[in-house]
Amino acid sequence: GAVVSQHPSRVICKSGTSVKIECRSLDFQATTMFWYRQFPKQSLMLMATSNEGSKATYEQGVEKDKFLINHASLTLSTLTVTSAHPEDSSFYICSARGRFYEQYFGPGTRLTVT
Amino acid sequence: AQKVTQAQTEISVVEKEDVTLDCVYETRDTTYYLFWYKQPPSGELVFLIRRNSFDEQNEISGRYSWNFQKSTSSFNFTITASQVVDSAVYFCALSEGGTSYGKLTFGQGTILTVHP
Repeated sequence: GAVVSQHPSRVICKSGTSVKIECRSLDFQATTMFWYRQFPKQSLMLMATSNEGSKATYEQGVEKDKFLINHASLTLSTLTVTSAHPEDSSFYICSARGRFYEQYFGPGTRLTVT
Repeated sequence: AQKVTQAQTEISVVEKEDVTLDCVYETRDTTYYLFWYKQPPSGELVFLIRRNSFDEQNEISGRYSWNFQKSTSSFNFTITASQVVDSAVYFCALSEGGTSYGKLTFGQGTILTVHP
């Protein structure tokens, strides 16, 4: 079965609202989680890296105030898209890395901002 | 900086043909890992293989095989006797080792369409 889950799998929101996406490791402790974004017909781009209990490290060009990442426990990381706009519509995928460097991707969350 | 290049944007074949997807990478690290993922229309990434930089042995798994050549910085993927179910986007990816393991740089992806 899946070892990393994401919730929700799909979300539609109105422009200006905030959306929270959860990434959970189901049967291992994820010391590090990575968040990726994939625009239609494009590749995956790393947005940020989060370590449990620490502030996330954002890739160049990713606005940390817009994409809030919290990794408060060893099984949960959240990505909040604040004041979402249509250009934030994308497929967001997390991956979780465990203590023994096992690594799994979540199934992704498709965000549509209208 | 790391870089992964998949030169083929799209490939179209007829069922039962063999097809090779190319992947060339750039890194300054001596320890690194290479991956191939399959992404069907659902979007979920399906892990296919991981190779570390110290293991150049080619690998075969059923109809899939991989050719890793450090001398040319390539990690090519071949599907033998392709099937319609192989139709998907395929990504090659690169990760550093150590504490940055899992931080992936993806290639642009190759859209494979297998026609019946």
